[in-house]
Amino acid sequence: GDSVTQMEGPVTLSEEAFLTINCTYTATGYPSLFWYVQYPGEGLQLLLKATKADDKGSNKGFEATYRKETTSFHLEKGSVQVSDSAVYFCALSGNNQGGKLIFGQGTELSVKP
Amino acid sequence: DSGVTQTPKHLITATGQRVTLRCSPRSGDLSVYWYQQSLDQGLQFLIQYYNGEERAKGNILERFSAQQFPDLHSELNLSSLELGDSALYFCASSVEQERTEAFFGQGTRLTVV
Repeated sequence: GDSVTQMEGPVTLSEEAFLTINCTYTATGYPSLFWYVQYPGEGLQLLLKATKADDKGSNKGFEATYRKETTSFHLEKGSVQVSDSAVYFCALSGNNQGGKLIFGQGTELSVKP
Repeated sequence: DSGVTQTPKHLITATGQRVTLRCSPRSGDLSVYWYQQSLDQGLQFLIQYYNGEERAKGNILERFSAQQFPDLHSELNLSSLELGDSALYFCASSVEQERTEAFFGQGTRLTVV
């Protein structure tokens, strides 16, 4: 079945450092790919999405490119802030899946001043 | 604010009891999804409804059931509760059925004692 694998956390960075969180997926066909963010005590918020190969999703300085050849959707940000501290989830929504999201295990990011 | 409303925010109940979690989707969204988030299982898809009909089922226990009403709000019923059912339960909604982003509520934190 479809699945998503994320790099394990926690990831600890200093403010203004470069962030990469790796995400790879297994799916038949052409799924849509998403990154969600969960701040402490809150629900999941959609951060960005990509619906076809080579699409780049971007929002709030975060970017991720849908790479069909490597089945990856890595999240990047050039300069993280303390306010980016949260748990990040990579997810996919596959063909003929009824719209359900399949999530990776989540990566906790902690940014220190 | 995602536009998805869940009540209650917190629920503490005893083993063996039954509870009902409620979700109001975003205006115009026909699909409602329920997810369970626990430390050991991560985010697990439970069930999806689309315009009142069940569309997909995930890892939902037989003790759990859900429904979507004509006004599109949904309820998740959990019965014969066990300690292991303690988790964060999220509702999400989306416009489409396939390959689309979903918007999440703040969740209901269920504690079974």
